[in-house]
Amino acid sequence: KAGVTQTPRYLIKTRGQQVTLSCSPISGHRSVSWYQQTPGQGLQFLFEYFSETQRNKGNFPGRFSGRQFSNSRSEMNVSTLELGDSALYLCASSWTRDSLSYEQYFGPGTRLTVT
Amino acid sequence: GQQVMQIPQYQHVQEGEDFTTYCNSSTTLSNIQWYKQRPGGHPVFLIQLVKSGEVKKQKRLTFQFGEAKKNSSLHITATQTTDVGTYFCAGIGHTGGFKTIFGAGTRLFVKA
Repeated sequence: KAGVTQTPRYLIKTRGQQVTLSCSPISGHRSVSWYQQTPGQGLQFLFEYFSETQRNKGNFPGRFSGRQFSNSRSEMNVSTLELGDSALYLCASSWTRDSLSYEQYFGPGTRLTVT
Repeated sequence: GQQVMQIPQYQHVQEGEDFTTYCNSSTTLSNIQWYKQRPGGHPVFLIQLVKSGEVKKQKRLTFQFGEAKKNSSLHITATQTTDVGTYFCAGIGHTGGFKTIFGAGTRLFVKA
């Protein structure tokens, strides 16, 4: 079974630009979560999508948004990039039953650098 | 909001010594998960604990979930150089839906 894939793996953007990151979950997984990882802040939860609906949201500004498609693939978008958005963005998928999420399988991440 | 605190932030050990990392939640958890992230890699799921007072073992790793379901620990016996990495706990709570909150992680360094 193929793992979680994320594209692109590396990205360099300039302040003020916007960026879209993509995540393809493991086949059969319907829940996709996004995390921001920085050396100082650890793993910060951005949002979770399940069946094309945002089910949970972390404490990030509205510049961070996401969506999920009918095939469970997900994208996240960051508008008006700031230097502080430089981070590793991780996507994780899981198989959920009822409302309880099971273990999450992480992708390799997208390393975003904002200059 | 729900917070998950993890200590210590770093731990240096000599190979063969034991290692423990602790996780505490501000609220009662539904379940707790543990992940390991090797340097340069991504988090990899280790285990999930669901029941109050649950203890699970994986070879040299022992995981515990507190009776009140608010704290957890991971203990590694006789560390090896392959154990290096950052260990994260992830608490899944009832508040605001089943949201997963990660602890800040404990980075383990093992000296041969």
